Amino acid sequence: NAGVTQTPKFQVLKTGQSMTLQCAQDMNHEYMSWYRQDPGMGLRLIHYSVGAGITDQGEVPNGYNVSRSTTEDFPLRLLSAAPSQTSVYFCASSYSPRRGTEAFFGQGTRLTVV
Amino acid sequence: AQKVTQAQTEISVVEKEDVTLDCVYETRDTTYYLFWYKQPPSGELVFLIRRNSFDEQNEISGRYSWNFQKSTSSFNFTITASQVVDSAVYFCALSEARRGGSQGNLIFGKGTKLSVKP
Repeated sequence: NAGVTQTPKFQVLKTGQSMTLQCAQDMNHEYMSWYRQDPGMGLRLIHYSVGAGITDQGEVPNGYNVSRSTTEDFPLRLLSAAPSQTSVYFCASSYSPRRGTEAFFGQGTRLTVV
Repeated sequence: AQKVTQAQTEISVVEKEDVTLDCVYETRDTTYYLFWYKQPPSGELVFLIRRNSFDEQNEISGRYSWNFQKSTSSFNFTITASQVVDSAVYFCALSEARRGGSQGNLIFGKGTKLSVKP
């Protein structure tokens, strides 16, 4: 059972570069989301999706794009990386968060922007 | 607005001590869910427990127990006879059930780092 798979685990980018963080889940969950974790800040929601073709912004969406073409995949794109985007990124999925089902998290991607 | 406050940034205890991690939440919704997640030094996020707003019964699972009190908007987590393996960052989180709103997005507290020394 793979659960939620994120790639890569580590990445170093130069300022201005773009990249895509991949996230895939095999649990047929409609809801998927991306969080960033910064020291002392907890986890903050970047973007989320309630199903294929539907995405919305979270608390800190600036500088990030998402799309959801399939139920399984929810990639996060950094358009022009900035040092402020240095963080640990987590992808999560949940069966029915409005009914309080727990979120399953990927292993995280540690991103450094220099 | 939704908010989760974990006032304890770091706690350090000696093995076998009991420790309580505090969580206070704010919500205007009448139906909501509270969670605790554990993040060990390896970095993954591990689900520990979920409580819905209509169930104030306390829960015990081995050395772990949770005290949910709506009157004080708190959902505290106690580890009895702590062990070194309990060293981790613990997050409390809130999600709301209302339609057309946050779709059940998780709102996290900033976490409490627990260090258990041998």
